[in-house]
Amino acid sequence: SAVISQKPSRDICQRGTSLTIQCQVDSQVTMMFWYRQQPGQSLTLIATANQGSEATYESGFVIDKFPISRPNLTFSTLTVSNMSPEDSSIYLCSASGRGTEAFFGQGTRLTVV
Amino acid sequence: GENVEQHPSTLSVQEGDSAVIKCTYSDSASNYFPWYKQELGKGPQLIIDIRSNVGEKKDQRIAVTLNKTAKHFSLHITETQPEDSAVYFCAVSTPGGYQKVTFGIGTKLQVIP
Repeated sequence: SAVISQKPSRDICQRGTSLTIQCQVDSQVTMMFWYRQQPGQSLTLIATANQGSEATYESGFVIDKFPISRPNLTFSTLTVSNMSPEDSSIYLCSASGRGTEAFFGQGTRLTVV
Repeated sequence: GENVEQHPSTLSVQEGDSAVIKCTYSDSASNYFPWYKQELGKGPQLIIDIRSNVGEKKDQRIAVTLNKTAKHFSLHITETQPEDSAVYFCAVSTPGGYQKVTFGIGTKLQVIP
């Protein structure tokens, strides 16, 4: 199984600012994803991070709000831009190799004040 | 898109009893069904999964059953222990790639000592 490290693990941010979350995987993976989990809720897919090209966003999520980078096979970032209190959530990075299960990082708990 | 329904949303059992969580899905083309356990402050952890060519899979105290005709699958935990207390999510792969999944709403399981 892949080990996924996310930074920061938690942060408290002022509204209107942006936060970049980093995700590092300990082995080369085919797919990387970003999810949002609002308090007490299930996981909602934000986007698929594509290596070397623009991410593929799910309905309701846009690049201007959640820009994503994936410069290589083991690293990705998610930025939450122009934050509001409604963006307070846990953001989770997920990764999988070819023909393997999806694994998750421990998440980044974001509070916007 | 895929729709996954999970129930119950909360479940309390006495230590040593069994727990069953059920999920239904909408897309008959779905072919991969993982279950995740999420403890407080942590990311989801894959505990067991099943593919569409198998009707049942067991791993020690945990088992999953799949009925493709009825489009439902279930998680069974026997001889529950307090450390089984967590939120459990069922998930379903979207057609075209099984790493990208749609999650159920989650079941909060409490095992009472």
